[in-house]
Amino acid sequence: RKEVEQDPGPFNVPEGATVAFNCTYSNSASQSFFWYRQDCRKEPKLLMSVYSSGNEDGRFTAQLNRASQYISLLIRDSKLSDSATYLCAVNIWRRGYSTLTFGKGTMLLVSP
Amino acid sequence: SAVISQKPSRDICQRGTSLTIQCQVDSQVTMMFWYRQQPGQSLTLIATANQGSEATYESGFVIDKFPISRPNLTFSTLTVSNMSPEDSSIYLCSAGLAGEGEQFFGPGTRLTVL
Repeated sequence: RKEVEQDPGPFNVPEGATVAFNCTYSNSASQSFFWYRQDCRKEPKLLMSVYSSGNEDGRFTAQLNRASQYISLLIRDSKLSDSATYLCAVNIWRRGYSTLTFGKGTMLLVSP
Repeated sequence: SAVISQKPSRDICQRGTSLTIQCQVDSQVTMMFWYRQQPGQSLTLIATANQGSEATYESGFVIDKFPISRPNLTFSTLTVSNMSPEDSSIYLCSAGLAGEGEQFFGPGTRLTVL
């Protein structure tokens, strides 16, 4: 099983739709979880951290389910500008320090 | 968050040569990392750049091929040595604070090896 797996894409949705991405992780010792957004030919940008209690930032909601080892990202009222690849990242402790492992990403295409 | 710059932003190199990529952070950070992202793929961690000591490499990456320096808390370099076309990729540095997990990325260096 891969360390971090995401829904294969792309997701094609119309403007205004609600879309959800899932991400599963294999290391139960992981402590921090993040969603990044990557536009074409750009670097990943931190979208939001994912907290145990779930957290919301405007149209974006992130959830964590430790028992099932998955995190999710919900985007409401999709905008054309939301079109991008969404990367899930999970921290893993190795040799006494923390690194991030990324999923392959899920591409979102929002159309008019 | 940290603002990170990289140079060069892109380069086209000949097989067998080496390229050194520089990464500068605008604030003192504990951790700096180097990643590779090949077309259509996710980010693969190459190594953690440790200040004042040898970098910690991930499986599949070795110091002779990817020597890394980190002379202080805000600067690091990655050298891609003896390049082959398979090294064509985007190389990204990132930075973060120990214990917080989140990382911020530089704009990347797009490398093409002919």
